[in-house]
Amino acid sequence: KAGVTQTPRYLIKTRGQQVTLSCSPISGHRSVSWYQQTPGQGLQFLFEYFSETQRNKGNFPGRFSGRQFSNSRSEMNVSTLELGDSALYLCASSSNWDSLVGYTFGSGTRLTVV
Amino acid sequence: GQQLNQSPQSMFIQEGEDVSMNCTSSSIFNTWLWYKQDPGEGPVLLIALYKAGELTSNGRLTAQFGITRKDSFLNISASIPSDVGIYFCAGQLTGTASKLTFGTGTRLQVTL
Repeated sequence: KAGVTQTPRYLIKTRGQQVTLSCSPISGHRSVSWYQQTPGQGLQFLFEYFSETQRNKGNFPGRFSGRQFSNSRSEMNVSTLELGDSALYLCASSSNWDSLVGYTFGSGTRLTVV
Repeated sequence: GQQLNQSPQSMFIQEGEDVSMNCTSSSIFNTWLWYKQDPGEGPVLLIALYKAGELTSNGRLTAQFGITRKDSFLNISASIPSDVGIYFCAGQLTGTASKLTFGTGTRLQVTL
């Protein structure tokens, strides 16, 4: 059974640009959550999608957005990149929005903003 | 953002020693999870705790969900070199939008 797949693994962008990250959940999982991991702030919850709808949202500015497709794949977009957006972005999937059973993380996308 | 208080921040131990780390919070959690993260990878679930007072083992790992639902500990017995990594506790707060709130992490280094 394939795990959670995140692409790309590494990305370098310039300040002011925008970026889109992709996450394919485990087959059969319909909930996808996104997290940002930085040395200073640790792992912070961004948002969660289930059935193409945003279910939960963390405390991040509107520059961070996401969406989910009918096949449960999710994308995360960050607009007007800032240096502080450099981080490891992780997604996790689970079977249902209200369940942590089988909650599995991908390997992440390392974003560097220069 | 809110984080759980995890201690110790880092530890150097010798192979074969037992390890203990814990997480505390001022808020009540309805689920506690313990993860291990290797460099450049995502966290991997070690143990999940769903009920106050619950004690669960996974091989050499044992974790407990505190009775007050505000703390949890993880013990690793007879550590081996592959135990090296960063261990995170994570909890799901009742009544909040956050899926998981993570601890600050414990970096474990094992010497031969």
